[in-house]
Amino acid sequence: GNSVTQMEGPVTLSEEAFLTINCTYTATGYPSLFWYVQYPGEGLQLLLKATKADDKGSNKGFEATYRKETTSFHLEKGSVQVSDSAVYFCALTGGYQKVTFGIGTKLQVIP
Amino acid sequence: ETGVTQTPRHLVMGMTNKKSLKCEQHLGHNAMYWYKQSAKKPLELMFVYSLEERVENNSVPSRFSPECPNSSHLFLHLHTLQPEDSALYLCASSQDQGGNTGELFFGEGSRLTVL
Repeated sequence: GNSVTQMEGPVTLSEEAFLTINCTYTATGYPSLFWYVQYPGEGLQLLLKATKADDKGSNKGFEATYRKETTSFHLEKGSVQVSDSAVYFCALTGGYQKVTFGIGTKLQVIP
Repeated sequence: ETGVTQTPRHLVMGMTNKKSLKCEQHLGHNAMYWYKQSAKKPLELMFVYSLEERVENNSVPSRFSPECPNSSHLFLHLHTLQPEDSALYLCASSQDQGGNTGELFFGEGSRLTVL
């Protein structure tokens, strides 16, 4: 079946640092890939997505590129802010399977 | 109101109690979901309803009983729970049936503590 592996964290960065959160996946066929974000006390919300190989999803300064050859979808941001502190979930879906989530990576950004 | 609303936000119950979690979506979506979020574990899909019919039940213990009276409302009835059931229970909805596009809209969750 489908699975998603991501670093557990927490990841602690200083404001304006570069962020990378790694995500790799196992899936049959050609899944769509997603990053969801969960801010403290809130539910998950879709951050960005990519539906085919080499697609780049982007939103709010975050980017991730669908790499089929390495089965990866790493999340990056050039300069993080304190307001980016949250838990980030990598996820995938494909065919008629439901959304499969990773374990979530907690990001803490300190001033 | 907009989006997906869950009540109560926090619930503490004993192992012999009966309680219910409520979810309401104001997005006109066709499908609704219950997920369980526990520390250090991936989100666990519990139930899926599409057009008010249950289409998936992921081997969830019978002490959890879902109900979907219409496409806007979803309940999770709880009875004789165990302490390991303490978690954040998230409701979600999607436009498509079965979440095939992966675009889910989540509520803020109900934090359940079982004593």
